[in-house]
Amino acid sequence: GQNIDQPTEMTATEGAIVQINCTYQTSGFNGLFWYQQHAGEAPTFLSYNVLDGLEEKGRFSSFLSRSKGYSYLLLKELQMKDSASYLCAAMDTGRRALTFGSGTRLQVQP
Amino acid sequence: DGGITQSPKYLFRKEGQNVTLSCEQNLNHDAMYWYRQDPGQGLRLIYYSQIVNDFQKGDIAEGYSVSREKKESFPLTVTSAQKNPTAFYLCATTTEQRNVLTFGAGSRLTVL
Repeated sequence: GQNIDQPTEMTATEGAIVQINCTYQTSGFNGLFWYQQHAGEAPTFLSYNVLDGLEEKGRFSSFLSRSKGYSYLLLKELQMKDSASYLCAAMDTGRRALTFGSGTRLQVQP
Repeated sequence: DGGITQSPKYLFRKEGQNVTLSCEQNLNHDAMYWYRQDPGQGLRLIYYSQIVNDFQKGDIAEGYSVSREKKESFPLTVTSAQKNPTAFYLCATTTEQRNVLTFGAGSRLTVL
């Protein structure tokens, strides 16, 4: 099985940097995913890490340490539109399905 | 244009009634999934299908049923056995070559 933990809520200021952490325990690991979900909408894909290290994509970066079961999503130059929930998810090699954490609700303030 | 279509977007049901949520995709993806999301929570896996005519239970399959008779379609039936069906239901697809899940817009079910 899989167990994924991430903070419930975070608050940050427009223009700042915020890091959202995620820890996972899995019986078979095949990648760590981050999704963004605005209220009332479906999740949209942000990033995917399968190897250790940092993946950068514009204002968003994601880091993975497989030995520590740890990932983070880094958001730079925060904008008001970044206010959303951020979902951490791990792929199970056995059933090829994502297991999601409960999500981190990020509020960006002026 | 390619995508995943879920219908209806909103659905109201009386207790004791079965309802079926539709999920259709024209992406030619092999794998399809159904997730449930409750307010302020993450997604939980109900059922998934890696290939036509085959499907597997997820973590919360009790009270739900599915079929996969065509590659394009993966309908979910919420039966009267599901004790607390009010939730946001999301269908997703992926390919074996790329593990990234693509989601439909979702169906919001409310039991009156």
